[in-house]
Amino acid sequence: GAVVSQHPSWVICKSGTSVKIECRSLDFQATTMFWYRQFPKQSLMLMATSNEGSKATYEQGVEKDKFLINHASLTLSTLTVTSAHPEDSSFYICSASGLGTQYFGPGTRLLVL
Amino acid sequence: KQEVTQIPAALSVPEGENLVLNCSFTDSAIYNLQWFRQDPGKGLTSLLLIQSSQREQTSGRLNASLDKSSGRSTLYIAASQPGDSATYLCAVSPSNDYKLSFGAGTTVTVRA
Repeated sequence: GAVVSQHPSWVICKSGTSVKIECRSLDFQATTMFWYRQFPKQSLMLMATSNEGSKATYEQGVEKDKFLINHASLTLSTLTVTSAHPEDSSFYICSASGLGTQYFGPGTRLLVL
Repeated sequence: KQEVTQIPAALSVPEGENLVLNCSFTDSAIYNLQWFRQDPGKGLTSLLLIQSSQREQTSGRLNASLDKSSGRSTLYIAASQPGDSATYLCAVSPSNDYKLSFGAGTTVTVRA
């Protein structure tokens, strides 16, 4: 079946640094990709929707200058957490829509010290 | 704004018992509803998808029902096994744009 990958699977960084997370659709072209974050024992919250070649659409309350999303091709979207702080520590999951359905990546665990 | 609630938050049962997981949503104008499984520290695996026009979907030991008018869905897992231990998430979509509103999940432990 279709596969979505994320890289890295986990990352630890110092406060104030920027972290880039990649989301790739490995065997299909994803017209739209979504970024979610999940805090422990809480639900996934949609952060933004990205379409290839256009600006991402952010959900209310999500800082677009803090969470930069680039969707440069039909198989790759990146999320950059800029000037990360401990409160940005979370589990980030992407999903990609294509082939008439949606596929989720395995997630990236971010820990900001 | 769509609110999705899952009850109970956690459930522990002996192997072989049937599981009943509940999901409710506040806005009945949904396009579809999905049930996912999430293992600790992992991504999501889609289990069942019910379109708004459907009443239920079945896959193996899993059966999900949907009552759109009352804003409820139930996931039944028959004859539970230790391998069913995971968190089960319910999510609804308002249209065919794949945007999902998730519940917080029910964490299931099946004791051998």
